[in-house]
Amino acid sequence: NAGVTQTPKFRVLKTGQSMTLLCAQDMNHEYMYWYRQDPGMGLRLIHYSVGEGTTAKGEVPDGYNVSRLKKQNFLLGLESAAPSQTSVYFCASSYGGNTIYFGEGSWLTVV
Amino acid sequence: AQTVTQSQPEMSVQEAETVTLSCTYDTSESDYYLFWYKQPPSRQMILVIRQEAYKQQNATENRFSVNFQKAAKSFSLKISDSQLGDAAMYFCAYRRAGGATNKLIFGTGTLLAVQP
Repeated sequence: NAGVTQTPKFRVLKTGQSMTLLCAQDMNHEYMYWYRQDPGMGLRLIHYSVGEGTTAKGEVPDGYNVSRLKKQNFLLGLESAAPSQTSVYFCASSYGGNTIYFGEGSWLTVV
Repeated sequence: AQTVTQSQPEMSVQEAETVTLSCTYDTSESDYYLFWYKQPPSRQMILVIRQEAYKQQNATENRFSVNFQKAAKSFSLKISDSQLGDAAMYFCAYRRAGGATNKLIFGTGTLLAVQP
């Protein structure tokens, strides 16, 4: 049962570098999400998608871009990483307005 | 805007005892879902229990149960026969049913310690 899979699990970036986090789900879910979690805080929504080819901004979208070229994949890109983007990133998916299932998280450190 | 409030930053319980975690929320919607997620030190977000707002019966999953008070906008989680593996951060979350956004709104979490 793969569920929601994120790669990479850990990454260290230098300020100004770019990278892409990949999320894949095998549950045929329409909706996919990217969240970030910072110490002492709950999860905050970065971007989300309600279907293949669609994306929308969440609470904290600045500095990130996303793409949903295939239904099962949702990519999160950082074009020019900043130390403020050091965080744990969670991908999630759901079928309609139902339960949201999360990946295991990706730890990103920007130095 | 919808908000979720967890007023207990930390809780502690003895092994085998019962503990209740509190959650309140604010919404003008009538149809929505409420969730409790568990986040152990591994940081994985694990669904513990789910409640549909239209259901009057409180949800139960083994040792986990909720007390859902719709009028009071309260959604507490009761953990019975606490085990060491229950130690984790617990997040209460709200999600409006239907609609294009379907965003999940989290509280700030309650850190549960289980004492042997």
